Amino acid sequence: DTGVSQNPRHKITKRGQNVTFRCDPISEHNRLYWYRQTLGQGPEFLTYFQNEAQLEKSRLLSDRFSAERPKGSFSTLEIQRTEQGDSAMYLCASSAGDRGYEQYFGPGTRLTVT
Amino acid sequence: AQSVSQHNHHVILSEAASLELGCNYSYGGTVNLFWYVQYPGQHLQLLLKYFSGDPLVKGIKGFEAEFIKSKFSFNLRKPSVQWSDTAEYFCAVSPGGKLIFGQGTELSVKP
Repeated sequence: DTGVSQNPRHKITKRGQNVTFRCDPISEHNRLYWYRQTLGQGPEFLTYFQNEAQLEKSRLLSDRFSAERPKGSFSTLEIQRTEQGDSAMYLCASSAGDRGYEQYFGPGTRLTVT
Repeated sequence: AQSVSQHNHHVILSEAASLELGCNYSYGGTVNLFWYVQYPGQHLQLLLKYFSGDPLVKGIKGFEAEFIKSKFSFNLRKPSVQWSDTAEYFCAVSPGGKLIFGQGTELSVKP
């Protein structure tokens, strides 16, 4: 296991379509995080899981966004009825330990909504 | 609200120059502090971290950072930059769990 992986790496979709992204964390890490990054900005927190439990969601996360982590392994992030403002890089990270400690990031999924 | 401010958006240096990137955060409690780096075409990588203890922490590739609690600052330093340090640098704080990032500083090092 060499790190956090994300699929797909790129996704182009039309406005109004649904998209789903997948993240596979480092195998022994119990925490998994989703962030969104737009050009010229730092990553912005979306949500995170400890094992299969979703512990926190950003207030910026609209109802069109949903994330799951069944069985505490991989996670999916779904965006329903995409809008052009959803175009961004979606980053996944994982960490070990109850305090979170350092997070290791995947390469991201770049979403373009046309 | 918790926030992180990086004062320099774009820094241009010549090789061998010294580097200091500013980072201030807004949070009243105990935090963990991080600097991440993103080289062109690569994903975010941890440069260094502070959890407790000695406020001067050393990271990879000759970088170091100093935590000054009274100033809510965690500035990144390197005595002599190289062309390969060209990248975007992000300061982040964690009150527990999530990371709160600054907007990033783009560093360009001229050979």
